[in-house]
Amino acid sequence: AQSVTQPDIHITVSEGASLELRCNYSYGATPYLFWYVQSPGQGLQLLLKYFSGDTLVQGIKGFEAEFKRSQSSFNLRKPSVHWSDAAEYFCAVGAGRQAGTALIFGKGTTLSVSS
Amino acid sequence: DGGITQSPKYLFRKEGQNVTLSCEQNLNHDAMYWYRQDPGQGLRLIYYSQIVNDFQKGDIAEGYSVSREKKESFPLTVTSAQKNPTAFYLCASSIGTGMTGELFFGEGSRLTVL
Repeated sequence: AQSVTQPDIHITVSEGASLELRCNYSYGATPYLFWYVQSPGQGLQLLLKYFSGDTLVQGIKGFEAEFKRSQSSFNLRKPSVHWSDAAEYFCAVGAGRQAGTALIFGKGTTLSVSS
Repeated sequence: DGGITQSPKYLFRKEGQNVTLSCEQNLNHDAMYWYRQDPGQGLRLIYYSQIVNDFQKGDIAEGYSVSREKKESFPLTVTSAQKNPTAFYLCASSIGTGMTGELFFGEGSRLTVL
């Protein structure tokens, strides 16, 4: 069965420091991978996605992620964190059900930014 | 502006009552979804619909019902059979039914059972 693991429940990073959020997936075929961000009480916003091709993908707000098939990972990175990046981050894998599609989400990582 | 509108944003319910959460989209997307979010649990799929008048159960459909009479609308009813309905509910949509899977989300509805 498909699954997504985000090993870190909560991470605190100093403003201006670099960030890496981990994501590991389990999926039999080539995965479609996503990172979403959620501010408190809000819906989810897509940060970036990987379907195929270049394994380093760029997203919005200065985020990037690297797909590593050998490690079944899709870690999210940002070189310099801003206070406004504090939010909850979700990794997701595309896992078609029958003829349809429904993403499977990890349990999320809460990012706190300290000054 | 295209998007997904969920209402109400906050809803309180007494035990034993059914409630319906509204989800409307003007993105002309074929597929629509309902997820439930609980603290530390991520998002869990309740129901999804790929086409009008058709829908499929997700991982936690028990105690919920949906309808898809119009392409734009996918209301979710939380019935009295749902044993722990207090949660944050998110509606989403996607283009077509292929493997791209990119979801567009509404801002959510928070249901509290008193």
